[in-house]
Amino acid sequence: DVKVTQSSRYLVKRTGEKVFLECVQDMDHENMFWYRQDPGLGLRLIYFSYDVKMKEKGDIPEGYSVSREKKERFSLILESASTNQTSMYLCASNRGYSPLHFGNGTRLTVT
Amino acid sequence: QQQVKQSPQSLIVQKGGIPIINCAYENTAFDYFPWYQQFPGKGPALLIAIRPDVSEKKEGRFTISFNKSAKQFSLHIMDSQPGDSATYFCAAIPSSGGGADGLTFGKGTHLIIQP
Repeated sequence: DVKVTQSSRYLVKRTGEKVFLECVQDMDHENMFWYRQDPGLGLRLIYFSYDVKMKEKGDIPEGYSVSREKKERFSLILESASTNQTSMYLCASNRGYSPLHFGNGTRLTVT
Repeated sequence: QQQVKQSPQSLIVQKGGIPIINCAYENTAFDYFPWYQQFPGKGPALLIAIRPDVSEKKEGRFTISFNKSAKQFSLHIMDSQPGDSATYFCAAIPSSGGGADGLTFGKGTHLIIQP
């Protein structure tokens, strides 16, 4: 069974800190995605990657960057965290047009 | 511009009732329509999906109805149970539009089934 693992379930960071959210998948999927989930706004795509060292902007990339140095790992980086980045962050992966497999999320609070 | 409109935002149904969640889309290039189910503390997981060449698809107690001319599709849950309480997302994707980056989600419906 596909497993997408996000390293932290809960994170509390201070405004201005650099924040790393890590995601690892174990099914050799070429595609990986970062979404944020907010009440009433649903799932919004931040960044995605089709291959190692490749990245593409999603719908809301401002304030974020990503890194994909290995196929199984996709990191989301908040260069300088702000309170409006308090949210649930979901990582997902898939191959081709197959359904997305999501991790269980990281709830980030920026104070 | 919201490409997939989902309603209602929240829904409370008695056990055994049939909750119905509706979605509408504008982009005629969409040709695959998955539904995701999300339990508290978990990520969304694929529940059921449909392509527009059929008008209905059933998997257990879950049914998708699809109206291509109206560009609408809906999820029905038969004999609903408290364990069906979750957030449900509809989505749409054009198969010719690249990978899952073309996937557009509705804003979700928070469903509560009361015992």
